[in-house]
Amino acid sequence: SQKIEQNSEALNIQEGKTATLTCNYTNYSPAYLQWYRQDPGRGPVFLLLIRENEKEKRKERLKVTFDTTLKQSLFHITASQPADSATYLCALVRGANNLFFGTGTRLTVIP
Amino acid sequence: GAGVSQSPSNKVTEKGKDVELRCDPISGHTALYWYRQRLGQGLEFLIYFQGNSAPDKSGLPSDRFSAERTGESVSTLTIQRTQQEDSAVYLCASSSRRQGRTDTQYFGPGTRLTVL
Repeated sequence: SQKIEQNSEALNIQEGKTATLTCNYTNYSPAYLQWYRQDPGRGPVFLLLIRENEKEKRKERLKVTFDTTLKQSLFHITASQPADSATYLCALVRGANNLFFGTGTRLTVIP
Repeated sequence: GAGVSQSPSNKVTEKGKDVELRCDPISGHTALYWYRQRLGQGLEFLIYFQGNSAPDKSGLPSDRFSAERTGESVSTLTIQRTQQEDSAVYLCASSSRRQGRTDTQYFGPGTRLTVL
């Protein structure tokens, strides 16, 4: 079965630095991969989508890469801010329209 | 509506009781999903509705779980004879097929279920 691993449960980083989160998957390669942000007590919020034929996607301070050879996606937040503190989830498409979510990485940006 | 809404926001019940959780998707969204998120864990897919097609129930953990959806509107997730292991946040999401297979899912705030 498909398995998704996100690099660590928690990541602490100093304000202004670049945060890098990792998502590794096994078995089949998804057609696309999504990253979501989840704040405590709230549902996930979509951030970025990257397709298998795209190497990189950017949105403001966010950058996502997708390496289908390594079966890995990297999620970067540049010039990180305390407001970026949240749990970040990666998700792969599964079946007709279902997303298979990783367990998430809790990011804390320290002022 | 402005977004996906879920009710109740919190539900505390005794072991063995039945519970119903409600989801109101974004108007016009044909797809609706239910997920379960245990404390500190990722989202676990439960069930998927798409228009009038037969739902994908492959994620339901046992026959105590069922869900219904009326047309392309409200959905209800029912858990019968609740167990303590059912304690979790139940999240609902909807998406629009108009975006094709890159459908973004819009999540509600979830219902926190506690089984005593």
